[in-house]
Amino acid sequence: GAVVSQHPSRVICKSGTSVKIECRSLDFQATTMFWYRQFPKQSLMLMATSNEGSKATYEQGVEKDKFLINHASLTLSTLTVTSAHPEDSSFYICSATGYTFGSGTRLTVV
Amino acid sequence: AQSVTQLGSHVSVSEGALVLLRCNYSSSVPPYLFWYVQYPNQGLQLLLKYTSAATLVKGINGFEAEFKKSETSFHLTKPSAHMSDAAEYFCAVSEGGGGNKLTFGTGTQLKVEL
Repeated sequence: GAVVSQHPSRVICKSGTSVKIECRSLDFQATTMFWYRQFPKQSLMLMATSNEGSKATYEQGVEKDKFLINHASLTLSTLTVTSAHPEDSSFYICSATGYTFGSGTRLTVV
Repeated sequence: AQSVTQLGSHVSVSEGALVLLRCNYSSSVPPYLFWYVQYPNQGLQLLLKYTSAATLVKGINGFEAEFKKSETSFHLTKPSAHMSDAAEYFCAVSEGGGGNKLTFGTGTQLKVEL
């Protein structure tokens, strides 16, 4: 079955620095990937749709300059949290195929 | 626009008892529906999905769900709860097929007691 790999699983960074999260489809090609964010004890909210070879589509209220998405190949999408602040601390999770998810990344900004 | 409502943010059952987690959806097109389980600090594991085929869907770990169009529901059940079932459960809906974005419900925390 479809496998989605996400890396890193956990990251702690200092306020003001940038963090890159990778999402890979291991055994299939994904022209579209999705990035979600989950705050503690809350549900998952779609942040953006990543499209291979073109610009990502961001949901309302998500800062595109802060959450940079690159989908340069059919098997890799990256999410870069720029100038991270403590309020960006969250669980970020990607999906490919629409319903197959990576294992998520716990970001803590200190 | 699509939406999902999960009734009951917390459900508690005894080990061996029936598990029933409720999910109602709203969709302007025939939906695809999903149930996921999430253990603490982990990703989402797909339990089962409805993709317009059989209305009764069997999933992993003994779970099943029935799509009822007239009630716009997709409730998750398991005949006999196990301690390992204690987790957060999310219902989600996708419009226009399986390759699209999902809209999630707010989740139900299942507690299983001895």
